[in-house]
Amino acid sequence: DAKTTQPPSMDCAEGRAANLPCNHSTISGNEYVYWYRQIHSQGPQYIIHGLKNNETNEMASLIITEDRKSSTLILPHATLRDTAVYYCIVRVGTATGNTPLVFGKGTRLSVIA
Amino acid sequence: KAGVTQTPRYLIKTRGQQVTLSCSPISGHRSVSWYQQTPGQGLQFLFEYFSETQRNKGNFPGRFSGRQFSNSRSEMNVSTLELGDSALYLCASSGLADTQYFGPGTRLTVL
Repeated sequence: DAKTTQPPSMDCAEGRAANLPCNHSTISGNEYVYWYRQIHSQGPQYIIHGLKNNETNEMASLIITEDRKSSTLILPHATLRDTAVYYCIVRVGTATGNTPLVFGKGTRLSVIA
Repeated sequence: KAGVTQTPRYLIKTRGQQVTLSCSPISGHRSVSWYQQTPGQGLQFLFEYFSETQRNKGNFPGRFSGRQFSNSRSEMNVSTLELGDSALYLCASSGLADTQYFGPGTRLTVL
């Protein structure tokens, strides 16, 4: 079962920041927070991941609370192409193995013109 | 760098047949994972291969199998197809950094 809780849906106005919350209150010390998104019927697209520090890349920012029990994915200027299902996943990071991604139901983000 | 490629993109089969799907990982990636996505069950992990060895396996019946070749390309096979096997089958590859990158998927329809 997924170890995260996300709202089922959210709306965001085009050009505004989209803030997608994720609760992972049972996260362990060696688990990372990963974010993927899936645009209708395409393969999931990796967005960003982090352990405890905030992370930023060209697509988004990831803010992780100090207790690591929740996080927020921020799309700074949402466009219509950001409409997708966003998945928050916690996953053990390991240098010698590759643990499966356990997907929940995600958040369906609708960006509105 | 080219992404993960999957062939074929669409496939129609009938019950009882078998099917083989192919996945070519990102160049340099040695791990290939397979997932099944259905409207009812969502995205579920099937299995993962690394250096031609199955390293992890999800909770699927033995009709689902896979293999990996020395060039890291992978195939998955489903035998004795059932209607419920209709799904989007996704392949993901990862390298040393462990992040999985997905292909576009193969849409399988079983009639």
